[in-house]
Amino acid sequence: AQSVTQPDIHITVSEGASLELRCNYSYGATPYLFWYVQSPGQGLQLLLKYFSGDTLVQGIKGFEAEFKRSQSSFNLRKPSVHWSDAAEYFCAVGATDSWGKLQFGAGTQVVVTP
Amino acid sequence: GAGVSQSPRYKVAKRGQDVALRCDPISGHVSLFWYQQALGQGPEFLTYFQNEAQLDKSGLPSDRFFAERPEGSVSTLKIQRTQQEDSAVYLCASIPQGAGEKLFFGSGTQLSVL
Repeated sequence: AQSVTQPDIHITVSEGASLELRCNYSYGATPYLFWYVQSPGQGLQLLLKYFSGDTLVQGIKGFEAEFKRSQSSFNLRKPSVHWSDAAEYFCAVGATDSWGKLQFGAGTQVVVTP
Repeated sequence: GAGVSQSPRYKVAKRGQDVALRCDPISGHVSLFWYQQALGQGPEFLTYFQNEAQLDKSGLPSDRFFAERPEGSVSTLKIQRTQQEDSAVYLCASIPQGAGEKLFFGSGTQLSVL
């Protein structure tokens, strides 16, 4: 069975500092991997996705993620955070034959301080 | 409309009441998904439609939960005899024909069962 672990429930980061959110997955084959962001009262917005190819994936809002098969990880990074990046971030995995049926992690709440 | 629309935005129900939650996907989107997001958790898959056919309902928690999409557009998630553990945000998402590998999420319906 597939599963997703986000080890950090809550992260506080200063504006302008770098951010890294961890994600580990369990899946029998190469999965489809996603990062979503959810702001209060908003729907989930796709930041980036990995299906195949280059393991370093660029997304929207200056985010990137790196797929590391050996570590079963798909960590999200941003070099310099902005106050508007405060939100909840979810990593998700989808099966290759039914990628819309996603398994989400529990999420990481990001707080940005001035 | 421009996005996935869900109504009502908020629903308060007394325990034992039946509720119906509506999802209007983006026009022309073939696939439609329902997810349940409990407080402090990531979304969990409930069910999936392709056009009017319900292809996967493995995530429905009990036989009190029922979903339909009779004309392949609007979908309704019905919960009978609501229980307190049904309190959650119910998210709808859709995918256009040809996928594009991106789920478009609505803002959700927050259900509170008292």
